[in-house]
Amino acid sequence: QKEVEQNSGPLSVPEGAIASLNCTYSDRVSQSFFWYRQYSGKSPELIMSIYSNGDKEDGRFTAQLNKASQYVSLLIRDSQPSDSATYLCAVANYGQNFVFGPGTRLSVLP
Amino acid sequence: DAGVTQSPTHLIKTRGQQVTLRCSPKSGHDTVSWYQQALGQGPQFIFQYYEEEERQRGNFPDRFSGHQFPNYSSELNVNALLLGDSALYLCASSPLTSGSYNEQFFGPGTRLTVL
Repeated sequence: QKEVEQNSGPLSVPEGAIASLNCTYSDRVSQSFFWYRQYSGKSPELIMSIYSNGDKEDGRFTAQLNKASQYVSLLIRDSQPSDSATYLCAVANYGQNFVFGPGTRLSVLP
Repeated sequence: DAGVTQSPTHLIKTRGQQVTLRCSPKSGHDTVSWYQQALGQGPQFIFQYYEEEERQRGNFPDRFSGHQFPNYSSELNVNALLLGDSALYLCASSPLTSGSYNEQFFGPGTRLTVL
């Protein structure tokens, strides 16, 4: 059974701080890793994808992947109240379905 | 560029009834996946359609069935509805034939309530 684990939170950070979201996965052969943001009552929105070990930066977002440790993280710099949402980690093999974690609720306090 | 669309937005049914949900993929995408998201949980994979065939299926009973049409749009059918089927149903499309790492883009979802 392929599993993806995340801390459910809520994770609370002050405005302007760095928010760090973590995800671990059980399937060692996983190749594709994604972070989605989901606002309450809305559908998930893709914010980052990462496929190789190391860091990938896109604006205020940085995804980090360590396949040996089966760990992927998302850093949000200069957090804003508008970043308050649930962040979903998804893991897949090439061409296979996604396995989602339960999500981490992030609250950015003004 | 139109994104993924789903209909209806909301639906209320009673136990034992049948329901059909519809999805049109993002332009240029040929693969459609369906997910069920219960309140407070991550999306759970139901099945995926490509070239009008079911390619993969998650751990859902046969009451859940689907179809893909030649224009790549898709339907999800659920028979003999149970209270536990109440959830947000999400459709996601991806460009399988591109050879890329199958980024999936979600539609707005259909909120199904079973009474």
